[in-house]
Amino acid sequence: GAVVSQHPSRVICKSGTSVKIECRSLDFQATTMFWYRQFPKKSLMLMATSNEGSKATYEQGVEKDKFLINHASLTLSTLTVTSAHPEDSSFYICSARDPGGGDTQYFGPGTRLTVL
Amino acid sequence: AQKITQTQPGMFVQEKEAVTLDCTYDTSDQSYGLFWYKQPSSGEMIFLIYQGSYDEQNATEGRYSLNFQKARKSANLVISASQLGDSAMYFCAMREGHQAGTALIFGKGTTLSVSS
Repeated sequence: GAVVSQHPSRVICKSGTSVKIECRSLDFQATTMFWYRQFPKKSLMLMATSNEGSKATYEQGVEKDKFLINHASLTLSTLTVTSAHPEDSSFYICSARDPGGGDTQYFGPGTRLTVL
Repeated sequence: AQKITQTQPGMFVQEKEAVTLDCTYDTSDQSYGLFWYKQPSSGEMIFLIYQGSYDEQNATEGRYSLNFQKARKSANLVISASQLGDSAMYFCAMREGHQAGTALIFGKGTTLSVSS
């Protein structure tokens, strides 16, 4: 199946710093990517839809100034957690649909963010 | 109302036995897609099986089959001949509407434990 990568896989940062997470589709072009957040033992909650060449669409309750999304190319979307706080600690997962692969969405391996 | 309901927080099964993980969904769309994903402790989301709302036959992928009952709005996952490596969290998800590039809505998940 299609491959989606995320970097870094794990990051620990101090409160107040910003953290950038990259999501790449390695063998297909993704016009749309999705960012999810997952707390331990909980479900995945959609944060935003990242559209190549345009602004991201954020879900209700997600601060767009806090979670900056940039979809600079057809294979790369980035999520920047600005001025991170301990409550931002979570597992962040991106996904993308392979246009040539039917309806399946492929997920990145996730990034575990810990804010001290 | 929840769009995806998984009523079993945890399931226990012995090796080589079959197990059914329940999933019901709620949508007014005629066109939709249903997915099952496996999430081991590493956090990666592994795609297992997909069922389109217009598919007349139940989807099957190896040891996985999806028991699709449209009138009851259920999409249960059946794992035959369970293996120790099947121990993980399992998520049912839905894509509403006819656009394949739409984000998925996830259920709360079921933790499956397979014992020898």
